[in-house]
Amino acid sequence: GQQVMQIPQYQHVQEGEDFTTYCNSSTTLSNIQWYKQRPGGHPVFLIQLVKSGEVKKQKRLTFQFGEAKKNSSLHITATQTTDVGTYFCAGLSYNTDKLIFGTGTRLQVFP
Amino acid sequence: EADIYQTPRYLVIGTGKKITLECSQTMGHDKMYWYQQDPGMELHLIHYSYGVNSTEKGDLSSESTVSRIRTEHFPLTLESARPSHTSQYLCASSGQWSYEQYFGPGTRLTVT
Repeated sequence: GQQVMQIPQYQHVQEGEDFTTYCNSSTTLSNIQWYKQRPGGHPVFLIQLVKSGEVKKQKRLTFQFGEAKKNSSLHITATQTTDVGTYFCAGLSYNTDKLIFGTGTRLQVFP
Repeated sequence: EADIYQTPRYLVIGTGKKITLECSQTMGHDKMYWYQQDPGMELHLIHYSYGVNSTEKGDLSSESTVSRIRTEHFPLTLESARPSHTSQYLCASSGQWSYEQYFGPGTRLTVT
């Protein structure tokens, strides 16, 4: 079945350093979403990308959807302690309307 | 912040007990979902519904059942809880024309 993998699984950074997580799908996606889950919390929707090659920014966060619509990335510039959490991508394939969540990347930021 | 509620937030029960996890949303969303998530791990879809009287099993095999008698309510029932059911259960909903999902706070279940 469809799989969505993320790398790295864990990332520890010093506050102020940049961070990137990568998301790869085994199938072509109609869209991809990103969610953030704080420790002990629930996933919260961040953004949705639909177009091939699309790039969207939210303050220090930059989201990109690959040209082939099989991969995506989330880049955080100058991390802060408030960025701590697990970031999940979630892909929607063309032949199903169920979101498949990625394996997640846990980000730890040291002050 | 979305209006989706789950009760109880925490539950510790003994093996063999029957339990129902409640999920309600006040947004009028047609689509609702149940996910199982172990700490720090990915989300696994166990049930979903596209509207009243519509329920489907998700990708992860589960011994639970769900019902959707009202749009706003999507309870999940375990007929006989086992230690392997210990996990966090997250309920989510989305609108008819959207795939953005709003999650409830979750129920942390421990079966002893």
